[in-house]
Amino acid sequence: AQSVTQPDIHITVSEGASLELRCNYSYGATPYLFWYVQSPGQGLQLLLKYFSGDTLVQGIKGFEAEFKRSQSSFNLRKPSVHWSDAAEYFCAVDNNAGNMLTFGGGTRLMVKP
Amino acid sequence: NAGVTQTPKFQVLKTGQSMTLQCAQDMNHNSMYWYRQDPGMGLRLIYYSASEGTTDKGEVPNGYNVSRLNKREFSLRLESAAPSQTSVYFCASRAPGGARNSYEQYFGPGTRLTVT
Repeated sequence: AQSVTQPDIHITVSEGASLELRCNYSYGATPYLFWYVQSPGQGLQLLLKYFSGDTLVQGIKGFEAEFKRSQSSFNLRKPSVHWSDAAEYFCAVDNNAGNMLTFGGGTRLMVKP
Repeated sequence: NAGVTQTPKFQVLKTGQSMTLQCAQDMNHNSMYWYRQDPGMGLRLIYYSASEGTTDKGEVPNGYNVSRLNKREFSLRLESAAPSQTSVYFCASRAPGGARNSYEQYFGPGTRLTVT
C-alpha cells in the first residue's frame, strides 16, 4: 500500500530565509506526486505536481519541488519565504490505477518577522 | 464556475443524531471524494466515486454512507453520529487524465463537524 511521510510536524523560518519541507513516499511504481497548501480555515490548494519527465517542477507562489527516485523523496523548496506562506503543507501520492490520493500528516509552517 | 461547494460549513450534532453533508462540483469531473481531516493525520479518504453510479470505500469508511446522486453531487451521511466523528470534512473532485490539469484534485471549503 502507498504511504507518505512528512517528518517535520512544525517548522519555523524567518521571513526572507529559504525553506525546504521534506516528503518521503512509499509506492511500487512511478508515483504521481503532489504538494498542497492549506491556509487556516480554508480548503486545499494545489502548489505543484510531478508525473514524469523533468524531476524539478515549478509551482505557484514561487515554490518548486524535486523528485528523487533513489531517495523516494519529493521535497518542497522556496528560496525566500514571505509571511503569507505561513500555512499547513501536505504532500500526497496518487495511485492512478486505484484512483486514490494518500496524504502525509502535514507540516505546519510558521514565519517569523 | 464555483468549483466544489459544500454545505453546511459548520454543524454541531448530539451523539446518535444523523445528518447528510452535501457536495457539488461544476467541472464535469467523473471522480469525487470525501475526506476527513484530523490534527496530525493529514486527510484520510472515507469514500470515493469513480463515476456516476459507483462508490467505493476508502481508508476510514466505518460509520459513513455515501450517495452519488448524479455526476455533480456526492453526499456523505452519518446515520448515528459519534464523538469520534468530530472532524473537518472535505469533498473533492478529480480532473481526468489527458488534460493540462490531469489528476489534480479540487477541494471544497470544508465542513467543521462537532459531535457532543
